[in-house]
Amino acid sequence: AQSVTQLGSHVSVSEGALVLLRCNYSSSVPPYLFWYVQYPNQGLQLLLKYTSAATLVKGINGFEAEFKKSETSFHLTKPSAHMSDAAEYFCAVSPTGFQKLVFGTGTRLLVSP
Amino acid sequence: DGGITQSPKYLFRKEGQNVTLSCEQNLNHDAMYWYRQDPGQGLRLIYYSQIVNDFQKGDIAEGYSVSREKKESFPLTVTSAQKNPTAFYLCASSIDGQGTNYGYTFGSGTRLTVV
Repeated sequence: AQSVTQLGSHVSVSEGALVLLRCNYSSSVPPYLFWYVQYPNQGLQLLLKYTSAATLVKGINGFEAEFKKSETSFHLTKPSAHMSDAAEYFCAVSPTGFQKLVFGTGTRLLVSP
Repeated sequence: DGGITQSPKYLFRKEGQNVTLSCEQNLNHDAMYWYRQDPGQGLRLIYYSQIVNDFQKGDIAEGYSVSREKKESFPLTVTSAQKNPTAFYLCASSIDGQGTNYGYTFGSGTRLTVV
């Protein structure tokens, strides 16, 4: 069965610092991988997705993620944090060709001035 | 613009009462999903439907029921059998793509509180 592990329920950074949110996946077949962002009392918004094309995926709001098969990782990064990046971030996985996503438990990003 | 509409945004339920959460999409998506979100637990799948008039239980279906009579609509009923219904409920939909996965589109959620 597929699963994702997000290391760190909370990550704190200063404005302008590097953002790194970790996601490791477990899948018996080549996976599709996704990062979503959730602002308070709202639904989830797709940031980016990996679908077996380029291993470095660029998303919205300056975020990007790199698929590393050898490390079974799909970490999310942003070079310079902005106050508006404060939100909860979810990593999700599904096997190729199957629609149902499995979500991680989320990481709350806190950005301080 | 196409999207998913969940209503109401806030809902209060009395003990022993059934309540229904609405989810409507105009994206022409085949599949629809209901998730429950609790602090620190991420998203847990309640029910999902890949086609009209068919649906499957997710990981925490007990105390919930759904119907899928129309492609656009996937209402969730929280029954009195659900002992701890206070949570944030999210509806999502996806294209039933063959051999690929475009991800989900989410609604803005319904916050249910037992009073």
